[in-house]
Amino acid sequence: DAMVIQNPRYQVTQFGKPVTLSCSQTLNHNVMYWYQQKSSQAPKLLFHYYDKDFNNEADTPDNFQSRRPNTSFCFLDIRSPGLGDAAMYLCATSRDQGLPSYNEQFFGPGTRLTVL
Amino acid sequence: KNQVEQSPQSLIILEGKNCTLQCNYTVSPFSNLRWYKQDTGRGPVSLTIMTFSENTKSNGRYTATLDADTKQSSLHITASQLSDSASYICVVSAHGGSQGNLIFGKGTKLSVKP
Repeated sequence: DAMVIQNPRYQVTQFGKPVTLSCSQTLNHNVMYWYQQKSSQAPKLLFHYYDKDFNNEADTPDNFQSRRPNTSFCFLDIRSPGLGDAAMYLCATSRDQGLPSYNEQFFGPGTRLTVL
Repeated sequence: KNQVEQSPQSLIILEGKNCTLQCNYTVSPFSNLRWYKQDTGRGPVSLTIMTFSENTKSNGRYTATLDADTKQSSLHITASQLSDSASYICVVSAHGGSQGNLIFGKGTKLSVKP
């Protein structure tokens, strides 16, 4: 049973053309995360939501935005994709913070973005 | 600076053999350490999680160890299978900080050959 769902699995866009990636979860977790992972590299946290509270990492480019309209859904908007934005984008959720059992992150399958 | 270093970067073994992957970290204050398995083109899946007081945790053929004094962890895979071919990522969580305060290693890419 899928718990963290990402759509689409593969996305092709043109240089500069806005694109939106979506993530949904059936776990009712409070926290949702977006990561960027380039080939053979560790995932890099872009931002996360604790409930409706948005937290942006200091080095996340302004080109990346996010929306969380409700508990279940979170979107990643790339306003003007560049060639360097081609990567796997991973969505993750965690129940809460504090105890390790609460902050364990569950990852979706990822969306692979290609920029032409 | 909080860092997680994994070795080797890649590893090739024959089906049925055992292997051990290493993780060294400099994260402080330490909260917990996880090993994830990431199949090619998929999201990471948690294998084990260990807190400061735990020094070993098993999940089937996967056994993780933690030495909090030397800040080292290992993941031992027994009787490897072709389906074990994947990247194995060590992730360390620090106390406090932001919600997303996980430090990822770059992973070890394991290839199991028939």
